[in-house]
Formats: sequence, structure tokens, C-alpha cells
Amino acid sequence: AQSVTQLDSQVPVFEEAPVELRCNYSSSVSVYLFWYVQYPNQGLQLLLKYLSGSTLVKGINGFEAEFNKSQTSFHLRKPSVHISDTAEYFCAVSDRTGANNLFFGTGTRLTVIP
Amino acid sequence: DAGITQSPRHKVTETGTPVTLRCHQTENHRYMYWYRQDPGHGLRLIHYSYGVKDTDKGEVSDGYSVSRSKTEDFLLTLESATSSQTSVYFCATGPRQGLEEQYFGPGTRLTVT
Repeated sequence: AQSVTQLDSQVPVFEEAPVELRCNYSSSVSVYLFWYVQYPNQGLQLLLKYLSGSTLVKGINGFEAEFNKSQTSFHLRKPSVHISDTAEYFCAVSDRTGANNLFFGTGTRLTVIP
Repeated sequence: DAGITQSPRHKVTETGTPVTLRCHQTENHRYMYWYRQDPGHGLRLIHYSYGVKDTDKGEVSDGYSVSRSKTEDFLLTLESATSSQTSVYFCATGPRQGLEEQYFGPGTRLTVT
């Protein structure tokens, strides 16, 4: 079975500062990894995904994430955040089998402070 | 945008009443999913479908049933709603198994009093 741990439930950061949102996963098989963002009162939208190949993945809105197999991590980073990045961020893992079911972490609420 | 709509968007109902939530997609995606979102739990899979009339249970399926009679529609039914089913429900779709991400609807906020 797969599981995902997001180590920080809330992350406040000043505008234009860098941010890192942490994600660790547990799985006995190879996985696909995803980061989704949820803006207030909206559904989730994909930020980026790791399927294979380069371990550094670039996504939308200037975000990137690095897959580290030895540490079973997939941390999300942005070098300079904007007010509009205030949202909840979810890390998810898929076990590459069956119906591509996703297992989500509990989310990290990023608040960008002016 | 995968063209996913959910209805109703908000519903308040009483304990013990049946409730049906509808998910409709216009993308002809094969896979459809129902999740619930609760504080401190993230999103948890309730049921999913891998084709018309083909469904299976997810992590938190107790108290829920689903049906998929057409590719575009996936219904979630609470046979007898309980207060523990107060939540925000999201539908998602996926074009094929394996590589693709899932596309999410706007959500339905259900309150059971």
C-alpha cells in the first residue's frame, strides 16, 4: 500500500521569498508522483508530475519538484512566491497499476504574506 | 479543463435521508473517481469506475454506492446519510490508466444535520 506524508500543515512565507513544501512517500513498488494545488472554493489542478526520467520536474506557475528515490521524497519548491500562490497544496502518489488510483497527503496550506 | 461538472454544488440534508450526487464529464474519459475531502485527511477515494457498469471500492466506501450507466455520468449515493458524511465531495476523471493525471470537478459541499 502507498502512503504520503506532508510534514507541514501550514507554511507562512513573505512575498518574493523562496518556499519548500515537503512530501515523503511510502511504497513497496515504483510510483508516479504528483503535486496538486487547490485555490479557495475550487477543485484541484495539477502543478506537476514525475513519471520517469529526470528527477527534477518543472511545473506551472514557476514551481518545481525533485524526486529523491533514496529518501523517498518529492519536495516542491519555488524560488520567489507571489500573493497569488496562497493556496493548499497536495502531494499524491499512484502505484502505476489498476485504475491509477491516487493516494493523497493531508495537504499544506501556503500563505504568502505581503 | 476536462469539462467536469458536479451537481448539486451545495446540499443540506437530514440524517437518514438518501442523497445522490452527480458527476458529468464531456471528455469521454474512461476512468471516473469520487473522493471526499475532510480537514486533516486530505482527499480519500470512495469509489471509482473503470468503464460503464464497472466500479470498485476505494479506501472509504462504507455507506456509499455508485453507478455508471453512461460514460459521461458517475453517480454517488448515500443510502441513509449520517453526520459523519458531512464533507466536500470531489469527482475526478482520467483518460487512461497509468500515466495520466486526474482532472477534478469543482466539488459538492454536503452537510448532514
